[in-house]
Formats: sequence, C-alpha cells, structure tokens
Amino acid sequence: AQSVTQPDIHITVSEGASLELRCNYSYGATPYLFWYVQSPGQGLQLLLKYFSGDTLVQGIKGFEAEFKRSQSSFNLRKPSVHWSDAAEYFCAVAPPNDYKLSFGAGTTVTVRA
Amino acid sequence: NAGVTQTPKFQVLKTGQSMTLQCAQDMNHEYMSWYRQDPGMGLRLIHYSVGAGITDQGEVPNGYNVSRSTTEDFPLRLLSAAPSQTSVYFCASSRDRYQPQHFGDGTRLSIL
Repeated sequence: AQSVTQPDIHITVSEGASLELRCNYSYGATPYLFWYVQSPGQGLQLLLKYFSGDTLVQGIKGFEAEFKRSQSSFNLRKPSVHWSDAAEYFCAVAPPNDYKLSFGAGTTVTVRA
Repeated sequence: NAGVTQTPKFQVLKTGQSMTLQCAQDMNHEYMSWYRQDPGMGLRLIHYSVGAGITDQGEVPNGYNVSRSTTEDFPLRLLSAAPSQTSVYFCASSRDRYQPQHFGDGTRLSIL
C-alpha cells in the first residue's frame, strides 16, 4: 500500500520569505501526486498535480512542486509567501489508474509579519 | 455553480444515535468519496463510489454505510454513533479517476 510522509508538522515563515514543504511517498510505481491547501474551517483546494511529463509543475497562487523519482519526493515551493498563505497543506498520492487518494498528515504554515 | 455541498455543517450526537451526512454535487461527476479528518492523521478514505449503484470500501469503512442511487448524491450513514467517530467529514467528487477531486466544506461531527 502507498504511504505519504510530510516530515514537518509546523513551519513558521516570515512574509516575503521563501517556503518549501516536503513530501515523500512510498509506492512501487510512480503515483499521481497532488498538493492541496486547507484554510481554517474550509474544504481542501487543489494547488497542483503531477501525473507525468515535466517534473516541475506550476500551480495556482504562485506555488510550484518538483517531482524527484530518485528521492520519491514531491516538494512544494513558493518564492515569496504572503500572509494569506497561512493554512494547512496536504500532500496526496494515488496509484496510477486508481481513484483512492492517500494523504499525508499535513503541514501547518504560519506566516509572521 | 455550487460544486460539492455538504449538510449539515455541524452536528452533535449522543452515542448510539444514527445519522446521515448529506453530500450533493452538481458537476455530473461519476466519482465521489467520503473522508474523515482527524488531527495529525490527514484525511482517510471511508467509502467511495465510481458511479450510480457502485460503491466500495476505503481505508476506514467500519461503522459507516453508503449508497449511490443517483449521480448527484452520495450520503454517508452512521447507524450507531460512537465517540471514536467524532471527526470532520469531507465529501469529494471528480469527473473520473484521472481528475483531481473537488471537496466540500466539511461536516464537523461530535459524538458524546
């Protein structure tokens, strides 16, 4: 069965600084990879996805993620964070041609002025 | 365009009571899922459906029932609520297995 690890439970970053959130997965083949963001009291919103092709994926809100097969990682980055980026971020994977999503435990991002 | 709508948003139950969480989508999506979210555990798949009349179990199905009589609706039933089912429940839908899932705003359920 696939598993997803987000090593950082909580990250604090200054407004305007760069942000990187880590995600590692365990699966035999390359799964479909997703990053979602959840604002307090809200549902999850898709930031970006990777199915195949270019390993650097651009998403919404200025986020990007890089798939590294050799490291089984799919880290999320943003060059300059805004106070509105404070939220919880989830990495998720699904086996190819399967619907079942497995989520990481999430990383909470706090943005300080 | 409403997307995925969940009702109610909040509910408090007593142990042993039954309840149905409602989920409706207006995007004509075939795939629908129910997840529960608990602190430090991310989201875990309870049940899912790949079309009307077809359902299957996810990672944590015990204590929950589902049915899918229409494309639009995918209700989740708790037959005899237990305190361990206190959680935030999310419904999601997608057009097919290759498309990302769209999430509702969640139902916060407390069982005393």
